[in-house]
Amino acid sequence: AQKITQTQPGMFVQEKEAVTLDCTYDTSDPSYGLFWYKQPSSGEMIFLIYQGSYDQQNATEGRYSLNFQKARKSANLVISASQLGDSAMYFCAMREDLTSGTYKYIFGTGTRLKVLA
Amino acid sequence: DSGVTQTPKHLITATGQRVTLRCSPRSGDLSVYWYQQSLDQGLQFLIQYYNGEERAKGNILERFSAQQFPDLHSELNLSSLELGDSALYFCASSVTGDVETQYFGPGTRLLVL
Repeated sequence: AQKITQTQPGMFVQEKEAVTLDCTYDTSDPSYGLFWYKQPSSGEMIFLIYQGSYDQQNATEGRYSLNFQKARKSANLVISASQLGDSAMYFCAMREDLTSGTYKYIFGTGTRLKVLA
Repeated sequence: DSGVTQTPKHLITATGQRVTLRCSPRSGDLSVYWYQQSLDQGLQFLIQYYNGEERAKGNILERFSAQQFPDLHSELNLSSLELGDSALYFCASSVTGDVETQYFGPGTRLLVL
């Protein structure tokens, strides 16, 4: 079973509008972390935002916010006021905190976002 | 520029060969992560080191090995290469390896012919 699911292979958004990229996860561990990364067409990988499973508040980093709904096991990325430079592939990932004190990282298949002028 | 350096940028080799990818983390970062991105497998976490010790292990094949040296640079060794090992290999670093921002290097693109 997929542990991280990104159901939107591609999305379009108009410049200056907000967009939500969906991510659902599956874990039975009480301690885990959720990440979003951006990969522009140039290929580099950029860490965007992190949410811990025990965090009470939704994480925010500038125009990025993570809409964390624990009961629904969703961790959607919201980008406000989209810019042309936001056009990229976006990956959701989960870190499971194993009882052995180590971690396991799992990535989704990504959503390609295109911002339209 | 993230401050993480990876060498080489590109590598072309033949099946059965062995290669070494190198990563230098940002100054002050103790943790190094290795990721593989291929068309077949998508993005996968391979392994993480913290201050010289293995911290977490992902989908790293037995043909692959890594280590982090006392100066904190890391090397990923890939041996008995197969066509399917062709991928972009990223290294990332972070201060402690827990929840803070990871900074990624530009990646090494490996092509196995």
